[in-house]
Amino acid sequence: QKEVEQDPGPLSVPEGAIVSLNCTYSNSAFQYFMWYRQYSRKGPELLMYTYSSGNKEDGRFTAQVDKSSKYISLFIRDSQPSDSATYLCAMGGYGSWGKLQFGAGTQVVVTP
Amino acid sequence: NAGVTQTPKFQVLKTGQSMTLQCAQDMNHNSMYWYRQDPGMGLRLIYYSASEGTTDKGEVPNGYNVSRLNKREFSLRLESAAPSQTSVYFCASSDPGQSYEQYFGPGTRLTVT
Repeated sequence: QKEVEQDPGPLSVPEGAIVSLNCTYSNSAFQYFMWYRQYSRKGPELLMYTYSSGNKEDGRFTAQVDKSSKYISLFIRDSQPSDSATYLCAMGGYGSWGKLQFGAGTQVVVTP
Repeated sequence: NAGVTQTPKFQVLKTGQSMTLQCAQDMNHNSMYWYRQDPGMGLRLIYYSASEGTTDKGEVPNGYNVSRLNKREFSLRLESAAPSQTSVYFCASSDPGQSYEQYFGPGTRLTVT
């Protein structure tokens, strides 16, 4: 079983809808959590990061972490066609030399 | 400020050939990483360098070698390429002493025939 599970999608939503993405993990040593956005044929781009349970908001994006359930989420409000990309969750633990464990990525398509 | 750069962008190799992928960062980061990305597999760590002068194996190191040339540069070498090494390769860097976010290069698309 993988340490980080993420539904690969694709997830198709109409423009303006809320996109909801999530990952589950099994390693309780994970203490910091990130979301990356990857456009087709490009490198991953850091979108959000958090080091604690709870919510973190940045514009249209909200990252949510529930360490007790080992579950993280990313919400995109008022989705735009430019949000069409693959979204990867990533996480790591202190003392692991900054190494990250990635989910497989969820492909999101926002249709006009 | 270019961030993380990688060369080449594309490469086609025949089985058994060798090549070196180059990576450089200008963010003064201590740590650097090499990943491969395959469909449905996400990013898998090949090797990493926690600091200049150190390297260590990641999740999928077989068939690869690395060199941390200096603080800026971290290269990945395929000594005898195999079709199973067809993938997209990404280099990343971070400064775990400050924060854990990793910043990625644009990738190298490698095909081994």
